[in-house]
Amino acid sequence: DAMVIQNPRYQVTQFGKPVTLSCSQTLNHNVMYWYQQKSSQAPKLLFHYYDKDFNNEADTPDNFQSRRPNTSFCFLDIRSPGLGDAAMYLCATSRLQEGTSGSNEQFFGPGTRLTVL
Amino acid sequence: GQNIDQPTEMTATEGAIVQINCTYQTSGFNGLFWYQQHAGEAPTFLSYNVLDGLEEKGRFSSFLSRSKGYSYLLLKELQMKDSASYLCAVKDSNYQLIWGAGTKLIIKP
Repeated sequence: DAMVIQNPRYQVTQFGKPVTLSCSQTLNHNVMYWYQQKSSQAPKLLFHYYDKDFNNEADTPDNFQSRRPNTSFCFLDIRSPGLGDAAMYLCATSRLQEGTSGSNEQFFGPGTRLTVL
Repeated sequence: GQNIDQPTEMTATEGAIVQINCTYQTSGFNGLFWYQQHAGEAPTFLSYNVLDGLEEKGRFSSFLSRSKGYSYLLLKELQMKDSASYLCAVKDSNYQLIWGAGTKLIIKP
């Protein structure tokens, strides 16, 4: 089945220790997104790529970086995690270029829950 | 600013009907989505409305009034597995998805 895969599902890191979260997709979608979601809050968009065109949200902290080496894979790097970065990190994909017709809904991976000690 | 408002929590009884409301103020409108999110899991797509009116999909229906900036998700014949958070999201004029914080729906036997 075509899907969005995130590894690991649970990640524990120490304060200030760099961590990388990974996402892969077999949907062959053009667009990939990284969201941060804290308990009972809306998902917060950190980055998105249309193909290799990178889009950084204005309020995404510099501590967060992203890489998309090819269509299928995307990585989220947290350079120096703080206690406030503990959250669920969601990767999502969508098929169509924005501005075209259709719902263009986003398909989410299962998420990586990050704990910072 | 852009804003999506939903009730924080609702409780309903198994077998009953529940309506979850969403109001929005966004810069432009290019569609409204409803997603279901079970605790600790990722959101899954439920419905999409871009024109006024009701979209029905099995036990779930979604309604949109663009002039009122209002939508609702209607869940019929509630089952225990419907206990989840329901997120409303609006695509604005820049095709950015603006998310609500979600409504936690608790189903009681």
